[in-house]
Amino acid sequence: SQTIHQWPATLVQPVGSPLSLECTVEGTSNPNLYWYRQAAGRGLQLLFYSVGIGQISSEVPQNLSASRPQDRQFILSSKKLLLSDSGFYLCAWDGGGIGELFFGEGSRLTVL
Amino acid sequence: QKEVEQNSGPLSVPEGAIASLNCTYSDRGSQSFFWYRQYSGKSPELIMSIYSNGDKEDGRFTAQLNKASQYVSLLIRDSQPSDSATYLCAVHNNNDMRFGAGTRLTVKP
Repeated sequence: SQTIHQWPATLVQPVGSPLSLECTVEGTSNPNLYWYRQAAGRGLQLLFYSVGIGQISSEVPQNLSASRPQDRQFILSSKKLLLSDSGFYLCAWDGGGIGELFFGEGSRLTVL
Repeated sequence: QKEVEQNSGPLSVPEGAIASLNCTYSDRGSQSFFWYRQYSGKSPELIMSIYSNGDKEDGRFTAQLNKASQYVSLLIRDSQPSDSATYLCAVHNNNDMRFGAGTRLTVKP
């Protein structure tokens, strides 16, 4: 069966520090992958999605970037975090390419 | 701007009642529609999907879709305290997946 994992689960970072969140999917190949951010008490904001290795579509962020170095690996990065980057980051894969998303456990980021 | 709108709630219903959750969307090209449940501090989980106009039933859950009105809803029958969560409406079009802000549902024993 397919599984999706994210790490780290929780992190506290100072403003201006770098960030790297990693997501891997097992049990499937060539999945569509997504990064979302959820601010406290808010909905999910689409950050990036990827339909294949090296193919990244960016929605919003200026200081965040994403990479897909391998088929089942999706990485979210920042060179310098802002206070507004705090939130719950969620990686998801599309089970059938039709929008049925399955989420990882999430990474809770607090920027101080 | 592609938008998905939901009443933020909170919506409070007594145990055993029907909970009705509503969602509207702006992108007329949307092809697939979903409801996710999110417990506090956890990641969302898919509970219903619907692709064509009409009703789709799965256990205590019924999803309703009206593409002409750009409206999708979720009915939860015989609500249980364990249904207390935030319900997210999501709309999909060609790899673009958009979520509403969610409606917080509380089922009181």
